[in-house]
Parts: sequence; structure tokens; C-alpha cells
Amino acid sequence: EVQLVESGGGVARPGGSLRLSCAASGFTFDNHGMSWVRQAPGKGLEWVSGINWNGGSTGYADSVKGRFTSSRDNAKNSLYLQMNSLRAEDTALYHCVRQTDNYYYYGMDVWGQGTTVTVSS
Amino acid sequence: QSVLTQPPSASGTPGQRVTISCSGSSSNIGSNTVNWYHQLPGTAPKLLIYSNYQRPSGVPDRFSGSKSGTSASLAISGLQSEDEADYYCAAWDDSLSYVFGTGTKVTVL
Repeated sequence: EVQLVESGGGVARPGGSLRLSCAASGFTFDNHGMSWVRQAPGKGLEWVSGINWNGGSTGYADSVKGRFTSSRDNAKNSLYLQMNSLRAEDTALYHCVRQTDNYYYYGMDVWGQGTTVTVSS
Repeated sequence: QSVLTQPPSASGTPGQRVTISCSGSSSNIGSNTVNWYHQLPGTAPKLLIYSNYQRPSGVPDRFSGSKSGTSASLAISGLQSEDEADYYCAAWDDSLSYVFGTGTKVTVL
């Protein structure tokens, strides 16, 4: 079964850090670009960051550029999001998603259930 | 901040056809393909349409997508109660970001 399972969410103080992880299974991980998409409570979807199949190319939304860093370990079938300088507006459910092909501008055909990040003092 | 504009709501009775519009610009819909997602209450989004009109396996042919210029649309024919969900269009933007629409809540009356 194709599956993405996120972990690492929790409560952080403004200015703090968190590292999200995503464990992939059931497919050839290094054939696919991957992204993180978040959804604030009661709001719509927002693309946060993407990474291509080998980690050689990454992209970020303007709202997180310079604060968040995506990486992947294809040997471990894992995706990561390092979140620094967290702000209250980063509070959201963070989904790990698989792109349909090897770059992060493709559609997203597999979604994890998400991990919740809450930034509050 | 969403750069693709959708109507906030749409509705229809069972069996009717409902259409959702998605308006963008030359840097996103005008030069890249459009994908559509739906999100049932309390669940993760699911890919409904990719590359403007292609359906992933398992998606009923009641769902169809089209694109013209800087706009796209999703049509749901033979509306069913289980279609009640939030629907989002999305596309790659040449500013090097993936952008989602504002979302449309579909209600089955």
C-alpha cells in the first residue's frame, strides 16, 4: 500500500524550531518529487516547499523562504522539513505529499494525513 | 496567499451538473497545466484531475476538467451526496511556486 506518514509536529514558541519527518512506503521513493502542503484551521491549502527526486532542487513559498528547509534521504525513504524562526501564522496541519513525477511542479497524487504544528507562547 | 480565484460555494440537487471555475493568470494557468483536488470533511485532499483533464485511476468519469487561456473549470455531472466536499484548483506558477485556488465548497441540496 502506498503510504505517507508524517511525524514531528507539536507545540513550539514563536522563534522556535521544529523538524517534521515523512516516512514513505509502498512505492519507489526516488522516482518522485515531494512537497509539504499546509492547511491552517478553517483555511485553504498552501504549498510550503517542494524538492525534486534527488534533492538537488528545492523551492519554497515566499511566506517561509529563509526559515524552512526541505531535505530528503532516499536511502531511508524519508522527507524532512526543518522549520526555524517559527511564527504564529505557521500554525497549521502539515501534509507530506507525493508528486506524480520527479519534480515538484507536478500534481500531487498521494497525501499523508498530516501532523499538527502549533506556534504559541 | 491564493492567486487562483474560485467561487466560495456551489450547489446542486442529486443528478444535476455543477461547474466550478478557476481564474488565474499568464504565469500560472496560462502557461502550466491545472490540477484539481477535493477534500471530504476531516480527511486529506485527494487528486481528482491532473494535467487539465486527466483522471487518476479510480476517479469516476462524472468528474471532468477543462482549461482555456488563463481559466479552468471542473464539472461534476450526476451530482451525488458523497460529492459534498471542498474543491481546489492548483497550478505551477512561473514565479517558482505551486499555487492553490481559494477553494469552493460544494453542497448537495
